[in-house]
Amino acid sequence: DTAVSQTPKYLVTQMGNDKSIKCEQNLGHDTMYWYKQDSKKFLKIMFSYNNKELIINETVPNRFSPKSPDKAHLNLHINSLELGDSAVYFCASSQVATGREAFFGQGTRLTVV
Amino acid sequence: AQTVTQSQPEMSVQEAETVTLSCTYDTSESDYYLFWYKQPPSRQMILVIRQEAYKQQNATENRFSVNFQKAAKSFSLKISDSQLGDAAMYFCAYRRTGNKGAQKLVFGQGTRLTINP
Repeated sequence: DTAVSQTPKYLVTQMGNDKSIKCEQNLGHDTMYWYKQDSKKFLKIMFSYNNKELIINETVPNRFSPKSPDKAHLNLHINSLELGDSAVYFCASSQVATGREAFFGQGTRLTVV
Repeated sequence: AQTVTQSQPEMSVQEAETVTLSCTYDTSESDYYLFWYKQPPSRQMILVIRQEAYKQQNATENRFSVNFQKAAKSFSLKISDSQLGDAAMYFCAYRRTGNKGAQKLVFGQGTRLTINP
C-alpha cells in the first residue's frame, strides 16, 4: 500500500500545453509538498501546504498552481508548458509536529518537447 | 538562508569496504534536523538516516552511521560493508524545527556513489 503516490510517472507533452500531476498520501500527514529536481539532480522546494493552506511558495512562475482539495491530496497544475519545465517533480508529505522525515512519492518525469 | 553543501559530486568504493560521504551546512539556528536520503536509479527518494541537532549521539542504522559535528556544521555519512545495492545518489538535507513554514527540506547537490564489485 503506497504511502505517497503520484500520477502519472511519466509525462511527455508539447510546449504550450497545460498538464496536471496528482498526488495522494495515506499517512495522515498534515503537510504536503512539491519539489522539483532539475537535470543536474538538484532538488528544490516549490510549494508546501499545511491542512489545505498554502504555506510555502518559493519563487515559482505563476504558470504553476498547486491545489489541495483536502489534507490527503495535493495536485500541481502547469499552464503553458515551456522547455525549461522539463524535470522530475516530487510530491512529499510529513507531519509537522513530529519532526520526522518527509516521505516522497516516486516522482513524475515531465518532458516538454 | 540555510545552505547545504556536498563537495563530492562522485565517489566510488570497492564492495565490502567503507566509504564516507561529506556534507556541510550553514545555519544560524540551534535546533534543526539533518537527513541523508538515497535515490537509486528507480528515482524513489528513500530516507537513510536522520539526526536531531540537540542530540549529541550520532545516529546509526545498521551499516549506516553519521558523524555529526555541530560546531563545525558537518554531517558526514559512513557506509560500512558496502553492497552493490548501495549504489545511488545520496542527498544530505537540512530542515529547521518549528512551525509550518519551517518544514521545507534544503538539499545538497548530491553525491553519486558507485560500488565496484
